[in-house]
Parts: sequence; C-alpha cells; structure tokens
Amino acid sequence: DQQVKQNSPSLSVQEGRISILNCDYTNSMFDYFLWYKKYPAEGPTFLISISSIKDKNEDGRFTVFLNKSAKHLSLHIVPSQPGDSAVYFCAAAGSGYALNFGKGTSLLVTP
Amino acid sequence: GAVVSQHPSWVICKSGTSVKIECRSLDFQATTMFWYRQFPKQSLMLMATSNEGSKATYEQGVEKDKFLINHASLTLSTLTVTSAHPEDSSFYICSALRPPSGAYNEQFFGPGTRLTVL
Repeated sequence: DQQVKQNSPSLSVQEGRISILNCDYTNSMFDYFLWYKKYPAEGPTFLISISSIKDKNEDGRFTVFLNKSAKHLSLHIVPSQPGDSAVYFCAAAGSGYALNFGKGTSLLVTP
Repeated sequence: GAVVSQHPSWVICKSGTSVKIECRSLDFQATTMFWYRQFPKQSLMLMATSNEGSKATYEQGVEKDKFLINHASLTLSTLTVTSAHPEDSSFYICSALRPPSGAYNEQFFGPGTRLTVL
C-alpha cells in the first residue's frame, strides 16, 4: 500500500520559471518529510527536508511547504534551471529511520 | 555529503545463481544501513534494515532466506540474492545512516546496482 504518493509522473517547466512538485501522504504518524533528487543509474541525493512542526522550509532556490491537515507537501524550485532536470522523490519518515518513498516525478527544465 | 559506494554497479547472471552486492560507507562508520529495491517507474521500496553485528530486520513480504543480508563491519553491508530468478531483476540501492545524530537527512544512498537475471 503506497503511503506516499506523487501523482504526477512528469513535469516540464521552462528555464527561469517555477517548478512545483507535489506529494501526498496517508499515514498521519509521519513526522518528517524529505525530498531527494535522483539521476539515472545513481542513488538519490538529499535535497531538503521539513519537520511536521513546521509548515515551510527554505534553502536557496528550494522551498518545501507542508500542509498537515491536507497531508500534502510540495517542493518549489525557483528559478528552475536545466541542471534541475532529474527525478524527484518525496519521502516520509515516522518511527525509526526507514523512509517511505513516492514513485517520483521526472522534472524536465527546458532552455 | 558522505560517500556510499556499491559494487558491482551492474550485474547479469543466469537464473538459479546467487549474486552478492556490496555496500560500503567510505568516510564514516554506519551501524545502520538499509537496502531498497526499485522497479522501473516505481518508488524505492525498503527491503530490510541492516544493523551491524545483529540480524537484519526484513520488511513484510521480503523473503529473508532469499535476500541474505550481512552487516559484518561498520563500513560494509552485503546483500546476497540467492537462487536468483528473472523476477528478481531490479535496481538495488543501499543507504547508510551517518552518526552521531542519525537524523533522517543523514541517510546517504549508494549509486545502486542494476541486477538482470536471464
């Protein structure tokens, strides 16, 4: 049963514009959320995270928003750059350190 | 970030053979490592948690006798796929938890191993 869902398998954005990647979760016990970036044939690399006690966390061009009542989080990238093209995974954690991943959203930033 | 390596990066084997995949944390000691598998266009699914010096903890539905995990040192965990079959073909990714905080974002992933079983 998929507890973390990324319903958009792909997204195409023009360079310089905002990229918004969405993620929904079903388990209310999750209290920490992370976004990972993954290139083909490589492992995921950590991008940004947010604790359930916050509703926003910002790091440079990347901002993650958390709406606990809706069990929804989103990753905003602004401005988007061609080098941001990759697959982005949303992950959630509750008890323990194991992560529950979504299926990923493939972002393509076009020049 | 920290470095986690996997070997081999790609392996092709015949059905019925066993394959060993190594996961190493190169610049830190990891008491806890994780093994994930990813099918095409699917999410990373946690298979098991590997704890140094003790038995691995397997997720529901993962056969512990088929996927043998050994975490014999603080820098090495191995996953052995025994009697591999074509349905075991997948991308296997390990991760290592970096102490001391062991925070969620201190989990570093290896580059993955592509297993193809003919």
